[in-house]
Amino acid sequence: EVQLVESGGGPVNPGGSLRLSCAASGFTFRAYSMNWVRQAPGKGLEWVSSISTSSTYAYYANSVKGRFTISRDNAKNSLDLQMNSLRDEDTAVYYCARPTYEYDSTPDAFDLWGQGTMVTVSS
Amino acid sequence: DIQMTQSPSTLSASVGDSVTITCRASQSISNWLAWYQQKPGKAPKLLIYRTSSLQSGVPSRFSGSGGGTEFTLTINSLQPDDLATYYCQEYNTYSYTFGGGTKVQIK
Repeated sequence: EVQLVESGGGPVNPGGSLRLSCAASGFTFRAYSMNWVRQAPGKGLEWVSSISTSSTYAYYANSVKGRFTISRDNAKNSLDLQMNSLRDEDTAVYYCARPTYEYDSTPDAFDLWGQGTMVTVSS
Repeated sequence: DIQMTQSPSTLSASVGDSVTITCRASQSISNWLAWYQQKPGKAPKLLIYRTSSLQSGVPSRFSGSGGGTEFTLTINSLQPDDLATYYCQEYNTYSYTFGGGTKVQIK
């Protein structure tokens, strides 16, 4: 089955760190750039970060630049998001998302999403 | 960064109605626009990509149009299953800005 499964969410204190993971299955993971998108409770969608197929390029939203790091392990079909210096406003459901086309080096719509993992930043 | 302004924020319509949601970009994004449907507690689902291309498996009552800075999503013959929030998203650049969302309610 083609799917993405996120894990690693949970409660964390402001200033703390958390590492999210996304396990991919059912498709050629190494052929796709990958993305993280988040959604604060009751709010809209916000793109967080993207990484190219071979990890050569990584892109970040201004709101997380310098605090979050995206990475991937193509041998393990996994995508990670290391989140440091967490703030209250980082509280959200975090989704990993796959673009529509393989080997596409340009931005693309997201046709496959995981179920999301909740991160709660609170003291 | 590109700003995406979506309207209305909420709409209420009856089953069988045709509804239109508008998304405006702060600068031209060519045709790099997608529409997503999100039901409560679920992940977003891709409906339309590249302004007007229907994603596989999506009912043909959904259609998209536009270009440059102004785009629309039309749902023809609204169905009870279409109760959801709809988001536009630009992918002209690696800012991937989403619109604020339109909540569609069934009268």
